[in-house]
Amino acid sequence: GENVEQHPSTLSVQEGDSAVIKCTYSDSASNYFPWYKQELGKRPQLIIDIRSNVGEKKDQRIAVTLNKTAKHFSLHITETQPEDSAVYFCAASRETGGFKTIFGAGTRLFVKA
Amino acid sequence: NAGVTQTPKFRVLKTGQSMTLLCAQDMNHEYMYWYRQDPGMGLRLIHYSVGEGTTAKGEVPDGYNVSRLKKQNFLLGLESAAPSQTSVYFCASRQYQGSGANVLTFGAGSRLTVL
Repeated sequence: GENVEQHPSTLSVQEGDSAVIKCTYSDSASNYFPWYKQELGKRPQLIIDIRSNVGEKKDQRIAVTLNKTAKHFSLHITETQPEDSAVYFCAASRETGGFKTIFGAGTRLFVKA
Repeated sequence: NAGVTQTPKFRVLKTGQSMTLLCAQDMNHEYMYWYRQDPGMGLRLIHYSVGEGTTAKGEVPDGYNVSRLKKQNFLLGLESAAPSQTSVYFCASRQYQGSGANVLTFGAGSRLTVL
């Protein structure tokens, strides 16, 4: 079945440094890759997404890259701030003809002030 | 516009008891999902529905049943609760098509403890 692997499981960075989270997916038909952020005790919320016809997408301090050939995609956070501390989930799904969104196991990011 | 509402928020059960979690959405979304979240295991899909009257199995369906009798409601049932079902359960929904069709809107979660 479909599988999404996410690394690392825990990441600790100093405020102002960059953070990178990497994911791989198994379903070659996946073409939509969202990233969700979950703060402690809260629900997951979408922060950025990328479609398979795009290699990179940026939104202020957050960027995502996608390598379809290798089935890899990554989240990059620059100039990290304490409020970036949360659990981040990558996910994969098919935009058309598919109904399921499969999530990675999550990365707990700590940003030290 | 409440979005996705889950009830109850917390519940403690004894092994073997049954219960139902209710998910309600007021966004007219076609697709609805139940996930469970366990430490280190992310969000795992239990069951999902692509429309009123339909249900399908996800990654971890054993021990759970679901029903979607009305478009706005998606019920998750545990017929005989087991300690392994202790988890936080999230309901999510998304629209069928259009702008933002793939974006999942999550409920606030339901924390279930089975003793």
